[in-house]
Amino acid sequence: DAGVTQSPTHLIKTRGQQVTLRCSPISGHKSVSWYQQVLGQGPQFIFQYYEKEERGRGNFPDRFSARQFPNYSSELNVNALLLGDSALYLCASTLYLATDTQYFGPGTRLTVL
Amino acid sequence: AQSVTQLGSHVSVSEGALVLLRCNYSSSVPPYLFWYVQYPNQGLQLLLKYTSAATLVKGINGFEAEFKKSETSFHLTKPSAHMSDAAEYFCAVSAGQGGSEKLVFGKGTKLTVNP
Repeated sequence: DAGVTQSPTHLIKTRGQQVTLRCSPISGHKSVSWYQQVLGQGPQFIFQYYEKEERGRGNFPDRFSARQFPNYSSELNVNALLLGDSALYLCASTLYLATDTQYFGPGTRLTVL
Repeated sequence: AQSVTQLGSHVSVSEGALVLLRCNYSSSVPPYLFWYVQYPNQGLQLLLKYTSAATLVKGINGFEAEFKKSETSFHLTKPSAHMSDAAEYFCAVSAGQGGSEKLVFGKGTKLTVNP
């Protein structure tokens, strides 16, 4: 069975641009979460979606937004990119909200120049 | 609020030696605790999780961790290190029913295994 997939693998943008990252959860999983992992740090929670509704938001500016589609895939959008947005963006899926274990994808490496 | 502190950003052991990676947590409610491993240029892989069923938790690849409420600790151990264990390890805490709520991660411990 396919795990969590993310695209693209790598992305290079310049300051001020906008970026969209994509995530497909494990088949049958209904919840998707997004994390940002800056080099040398642990992942930080950005968003959680369940059944297309936002269920949690971390301490990130409004430049960050996300959505979940009817097929449970998700997009993370970041506007007005800053150098500090350079990071590995991880997507995790769970079957339901109240079940255990978040399964992570390989991540998208975003570099902002 | 939940938080995790991983003691030691780098740990180096010899092949065949004991691996001990330390994690202390803070939580206002009974916590769910996790250890994840990250190999270079990859995502996170779950090693093991504590969900209040048993204090000694066995995971994949020979790793285990013991939940000690009195010490607010959840240290990860492996009796004999292999070269393939070289990676970064993250401890995480969740206040959710089963860990599907947001995870709060520590800063990670990079494990080096010397031949």
